[in-house]
Amino acid sequence: EPEVTQTPSHQVTQMGQEVILRCVPISNHLYFYWYRQILGQKVEFLVSFYNNEISEKSEIFDDQFSVERPDGSNFTLKIRSTKLEDSAMYFCASSEVAGAKNIQYFGAGTRLSVL
Amino acid sequence: GQSLEQPSEVTAVEGAIVQINCTYQTSGFYGLSWYQQHDGGAPTFLSYNGLDGLEETGRFSSFLSRSDSYGYLLLQELQMKDSASYFCAASTDSWGKLQFGAGTQVVVTP
Repeated sequence: EPEVTQTPSHQVTQMGQEVILRCVPISNHLYFYWYRQILGQKVEFLVSFYNNEISEKSEIFDDQFSVERPDGSNFTLKIRSTKLEDSAMYFCASSEVAGAKNIQYFGAGTRLSVL
Repeated sequence: GQSLEQPSEVTAVEGAIVQINCTYQTSGFYGLSWYQQHDGGAPTFLSYNGLDGLEETGRFSSFLSRSDSYGYLLLQELQMKDSASYFCAASTDSWGKLQFGAGTQVVVTP
């Protein structure tokens, strides 16, 4: 069964460092997303991406965040200068369609720990 | 503001039926999804309702009433492996942005 894969599973970094989280969405999917979940809290939307452009972003997704689809398979989230409060689980998701009948498939996540 | 409200925890015995309610208030609405999450792992898609009514998928069913801004997930014949967090999530725009509820922890006891 096709799945969304994310690497690394756990990333430890020092405050102020740049991190890149990587995702390989399901191959025939066109819509890509990043979410984050702070420990014990709900899943929060960060950004949606379609046709090589950001289609929507949340207020969390400030200038320190960027996304890219560098080739036909990878989808990355970059945090330019990490802060302690960026510590969270980051989930990538993809879907075949958006709007009605939008079913998103999530990866296993990257746990980001900022020290 | 936008919000999805669901109970924080439900406890039931094996074989029982559990209903998790979700009321939503969002600026846009395309449909309501339900996701299962074990111990902070990947949210796994369970069910989707775009129109009013009941959707059945094996032991899980989901219901939506757009006029009441309300939905529920029904878990039947509960098994120990169903112990997990269950999130309702509203699709709130044409790009598929999901707004999640805080989650309901389901505890299944022998």
